[in-house]
Amino acid sequence: QKEVEQNSGPLSVPEGAIASLNCTYSDRGSQSFFWYRQYSGKSPELIMFIYSNGDKEDGRFTAQLNKASQYVSLLIRDSQPSDSATYLCAVKAGNNRKLIWGLGTSLAVNP
Amino acid sequence: DGGITQSPKYLFRKEGQNVTLSCEQNLNHDAMYWYRQDPGQGLRLIYYSQIVNDFQKGDIAEGYSVSREKKESFPLTVTSAQKNPTAFYLCASSIVSGRGRTEAFFGQGTRLTVV
Repeated sequence: QKEVEQNSGPLSVPEGAIASLNCTYSDRGSQSFFWYRQYSGKSPELIMFIYSNGDKEDGRFTAQLNKASQYVSLLIRDSQPSDSATYLCAVKAGNNRKLIWGLGTSLAVNP
Repeated sequence: DGGITQSPKYLFRKEGQNVTLSCEQNLNHDAMYWYRQDPGQGLRLIYYSQIVNDFQKGDIAEGYSVSREKKESFPLTVTSAQKNPTAFYLCASSIVSGRGRTEAFFGQGTRLTVV
């Protein structure tokens, strides 16, 4: 079992819809959870982080964390073609200072 | 402006040649990381360093070497022992503060190709 799992996609949504991206993790001691966006040929950029159970909203983005079920999700409201990218989930496991990465979900927002 | 600078953006290596990728940060971050990214394989950790003059192997360290003589700099050497070095190389840095907050900030990457 991979430590951090994401559906590779591609996930295709129409412009203006809500895109829902999911990530599950195996280490129950994980403390910090991050979502990065990576455009083709570019480096990842941080878009959200969350530490506590529940929802965290930032503009059109909402991160949701459920530690009991060991999943973290990212919702993108009013999706735009510019949101088309690969979204990487990263988890910090316990006291280990390394981030554990998922393989990413490819999102395509169709005009 | 603070940030992480990787150079060069593109690099071509001949068979049997060692090459060094540069990574410099002015964010005053303690930790620095090198990742390799291949299509469909996500980010794989090569080496990381949490303090000057100390570094640890990641998951795929064979054929690579690093040094951390200054807090700002963490160069990666791809040696001739790395048999399949063609990939996108990413350098990152982070702080360690509070309750496990270690978001990584990335440089723009170096695309290495063997010719």
